[in-house]
Amino acid sequence: EDQVTQSPEALRLQEGESSSLNCSYTVSGLRGLFWYRQDPGKGPEFLFTLYSAGEEKEKERLKATLTKKESFLHITAPKPEDSATYLCAVQVRSYGKLTFGQGTILTVHP
Amino acid sequence: DAGVIQSPRHEVTEMGQEVTLRCKPISGHNSLFWYRQTMMRGLELLIYFNNNVPIDDSGMPEDRFSAKMPNASFSTLKIQPSEPRDSAVYFCASSLEVRSYNEQFFGPGTRLTVL
Repeated sequence: EDQVTQSPEALRLQEGESSSLNCSYTVSGLRGLFWYRQDPGKGPEFLFTLYSAGEEKEKERLKATLTKKESFLHITAPKPEDSATYLCAVQVRSYGKLTFGQGTILTVHP
Repeated sequence: DAGVIQSPRHEVTEMGQEVTLRCKPISGHNSLFWYRQTMMRGLELLIYFNNNVPIDDSGMPEDRFSAKMPNASFSTLKIQPSEPRDSAVYFCASSLEVRSYNEQFFGPGTRLTVL
């Protein structure tokens, strides 16, 4: 059975304090790994897709990396507006089914 | 350009009543997904359609749940009869082409409360 585990469950940072979120997965044949951001009361918002080990993608203060067993979402010098729940999801077949992790709740204090 | 549109945004109903959730995908997208999100189970895929055809409904919890997509711009998720354990946020998402692993765009969700 495909499994996706995110850690930590919650992370509290001071503004400017860089850190990383982890997404480890156990799947048979990864097709793609997705990162989403979810704000309270809203639907998940797409951030990145990673397809192969060694791939990296960046967007503003966020950088996502992928290995054969896990993905990291690095947050550099975070700001309070980066506070949200970050979800990762894996796609393991040729169609669109995504299996999501439980998410990491990030809070950035000014 | 409008994103995925869902209605209603909030629904409060009593156990045993029928509930219908509605979704309008992004124009031009040919795949549509229904998800359910709860604190206990997180975000779970219920069913998805490709070109209006249901492809995988293995996530539908039981026969009380049904979904339809009569055309490319409209889908419904129906619960009949509803139960308190169905209380959750239901999201609809759409994407351009399933085989290309394109990202899914989510709607704002419908918060369902069954009393």
